[in-house]
Amino acid sequence: QAQLVESGGGVVQPGRSLRLSCEASGFTLSGYGMHWVRQAPGKGLEWVALIWFDGSNKFYAESVKGRFTISRDNSKSTLYLEMNSLRGEDTAVYYCARDRGTNMVRGAPAGGYMDVWGEGTTVTVSS
Amino acid sequence: DIQTTQSPSTLSASVGDRVTITCRASQSISTWLAWYQQKPGKAPKLLIYKASNLENGVPSRFSGSGSGTEFTLTISSLQPDDFATYYCLQYNTYWTFGQGTKVEIK
Repeated sequence: QAQLVESGGGVVQPGRSLRLSCEASGFTLSGYGMHWVRQAPGKGLEWVALIWFDGSNKFYAESVKGRFTISRDNSKSTLYLEMNSLRGEDTAVYYCARDRGTNMVRGAPAGGYMDVWGEGTTVTVSS
Repeated sequence: DIQTTQSPSTLSASVGDRVTITCRASQSISTWLAWYQQKPGKAPKLLIYKASNLENGVPSRFSGSGSGTEFTLTISSLQPDDFATYYCLQYNTYWTFGQGTKVEIK
């Protein structure tokens, strides 16, 4: 069945960078948009970014825009999240998730949700 | 931005109870709403999509209803495996999660 496995988390100093990976198996990654969602310790879920199935469209939460970059390599069945200028408030468990159904409506992504999730990788930003 | 507000934030219930969680959106989102269950240290699990559609493999004691700005998740007879935190997600435009409802043992 469909499975996602994140890696790349760790402890990093404020202002530094980190790259997360998410390897897909059990389905063809190139057929799906993909999300990153994060959860700070003891807090709720926060959507971070979405990339279109072919990488042609990317969308970001305001809290990470300009600092994080989502990308993918469909030949390797892998999704990435490049995180720069990290801050303490970026400390969280980062989940990748498969998109089901998102389309463009009046210039914005709409109508799709996350159906398959990985187990997450933990990022701690601390000096 | 569309905001989503869940209530209550915590709910104490017993096995066999009927449980209802509410999610309100700051503007109409038609039926573009999903519900997730999350257990400690685990990833969220999709329960309901498009407000009332049960995801494959999810027990029929879970149901969803609503449209516009007000939605509910109902568990008809709470089971031991259902003690968890539940989140709504609006996906009308971009994505916004509710703040979560923890269902705990009474």
